[in-house]
Order: sequence, then C-alpha cells, then structure tokens
Amino acid sequence: DSGVTQTPKHLITATGQRVTLRCSPRSGDLSVYWYQQSLDQGLQFLIQYYNGEERAKGNILERFSAQQFPDLHSELNLSSLELGDSALYFCASSEPIGTGDGYTFGSGTRLTVV
Amino acid sequence: AQTVTQSQPEMSVQEAETVTLSCTYDTSENNYYLFWYKQPPSRQMILVIRQEAYKQQNATENRFSVNFQKAAKSFSLKISDSQLGDTAMYFCAFMILRGGSQGNLIFGKGTKLSVKP
Repeated sequence: DSGVTQTPKHLITATGQRVTLRCSPRSGDLSVYWYQQSLDQGLQFLIQYYNGEERAKGNILERFSAQQFPDLHSELNLSSLELGDSALYFCASSEPIGTGDGYTFGSGTRLTVV
Repeated sequence: AQTVTQSQPEMSVQEAETVTLSCTYDTSENNYYLFWYKQPPSRQMILVIRQEAYKQQNATENRFSVNFQKAAKSFSLKISDSQLGDTAMYFCAFMILRGGSQGNLIFGKGTKLSVKP
C-alpha cells in the first residue's frame, strides 16, 4: 500500500456519460497530481492541486475538471465521455516541501468507455 | 518545451546479465530532479531511482545505477544482475523545482524491458 488511495479501481461507462474519480493523498502530503495513461503510452500530466488550490495545468481537456477539498482529497470529473477517454488515470501526491523525493502514486483507476 | 526521450521502445536481457536503458531530456532549467520509474504488469508506478541535477555523483540503489551526464542531458539506467522480476515498463522522468516547490513530472514514452530466463 503506497498510502495514496484511488477509487474506484475499475469503471465502465457509456459514451456521453460523466464520472468522478477520487483520490486520497498520503498523510501529510499537500499536493495532488492527476495523470492519464492511454494504452501503451507514457503518463500525461493533467492537473496539480496544492492545499486546495490549482497549482498547474497540463493537457487537460475542457470536459475534465478537478478540485481538492479541505480534507485534501481530490476528485477528477470527466464529462461527455468519448471512447478515446478510455485510459488508466493515476493520482499522485508529494510532500509539502520540495525535497525532490518525487511522488507517491496510487494504483490507478482504469476507465473504459463503451 | 521540456521533453523526455526514450529511444528504445523495447529491450530484452538474459537473466543475471546487465542492461542499460537510455534517456535524454531537454530543459533550460538548472534546478531539477531526474527519476526512473518502473511499471510492472500490475500497472503500479514504482520509483526505482532518483538523481538531483546539482549532484555530480551518480545515484545507486542496489542493482540499479544511473549515468548522469548533465551537459549532454543524458540520464541512462543500468540494471545489473537482471532478475525476472525486473520485467516491466521503465519510464524516465524529470521534475523542475521552482521556489522550493515540486512541479509536475514529465515522462518519456517508456522502454519495455523483458528479462528472459
């Protein structure tokens, strides 16, 4: 157990639908990052939150949004889903001070859009 | 733009032998960290090794070591005494530090390593 919890582990939904992915960071970590990994691809950075505020944005579609709540858990909302949104979505958290230890990743949510 | 290039999509190695995975990156920043992550079939992302850009000494973690050439922007991973459990996808990544805060990781596309018995 890495300490970063992602739910659900698997999700199957239809095109046009909306889903919410949830992430609880490791205890003490203030930053949460969301990544998308499509089939046989590297990880694409979507968005970062730090202590409730958006810190950085990557290749996140307008149909996607995220937020971080006061208890530091984060949710990634995906709407108007398309077949191409099928991917593994990772959440990661990092320590509050830039020690450069990198991230701790959750085990991911596998989203299948049919 | 900051990029990471892994030029070897797939590699294989015999058990107990040594293999080197290549990685180059491009950034104009000076304060950054470099990482190798392993992704086995379980798809979990596992940190293998990290290197601070300001350190000249190459990082080592048991059977894993890096060859960091800052001027060439090269960061290769050497796996010694390869084991069957090393079979995985390996991702090179870097992260820029700004104002003491960690930025996001920028990943390469990965190298699929197969260790053969």
